[in-house]
Amino acid sequence: EVQLVESGGGSVEPGGSLTISCAASGFTFNNYDMSWVRQAPGKGLEWISYITYGGSTKKYSASVEGRFTISRDNAKNSLFLHLNTLSVEDTAIYYCARDQSFGVSDFWGRGTLVTVSS
Amino acid sequence: SYEVTQPPSVSVSPGQTASITCSGDKLENKYVCWYQQKAGQSPVLLIYQDTKRPSGIPDRFSGSNSGNTATLTISGTQPMDEADYYCQPWDSSTRVFGGGTRLTVL
Repeated sequence: EVQLVESGGGSVEPGGSLTISCAASGFTFNNYDMSWVRQAPGKGLEWISYITYGGSTKKYSASVEGRFTISRDNAKNSLFLHLNTLSVEDTAIYYCARDQSFGVSDFWGRGTLVTVSS
Repeated sequence: SYEVTQPPSVSVSPGQTASITCSGDKLENKYVCWYQQKAGQSPVLLIYQDTKRPSGIPDRFSGSNSGNTATLTISGTQPMDEADYYCQPWDSSTRVFGGGTRLTVL
């Protein structure tokens, strides 16, 4: 069974940093591209980052480019997102998702909540 | 950057057909996915590559994409289909979500 379990969320002050993780199981992790998608409270989904299966290509949305960094450790079946220079607008549930071809996110984790507040 | 527009809400009676649209410039040139998100849950893939259903998705869900509009159609809508629905167009330079449509089954 495919499982994606996010962790590392929490409360952080504006300007602070945080690294969130996604542990994958039930599939061959290093065969799949992965994405991070977030959802602010009461709002819609926002795609924020993507990494290819080998880690060679990374893409970001304009809203997080230069502040967030996506990475992966295929030996540990893990995906990471380092969030830097956080603002209150970054408060959201952060989901990791497994990607198929043509941008299809076919499995999603349950998400981890990041709250940016003073 | 590319944008797509969805109606904020759609209402349907049980057993009737619901249609949720997703509009964007030359959208037919992109592949569109649809996701369902029920309250308090993670999104679930409903439709990919415009018209394809993953295994386990009921055949009452179908998709189309033509011109500037992609459409998610739910035939014989059930109360359990009440949820938020998001379209997501894709090409090599596009990765965005529509704003979402709340489907209410009255």
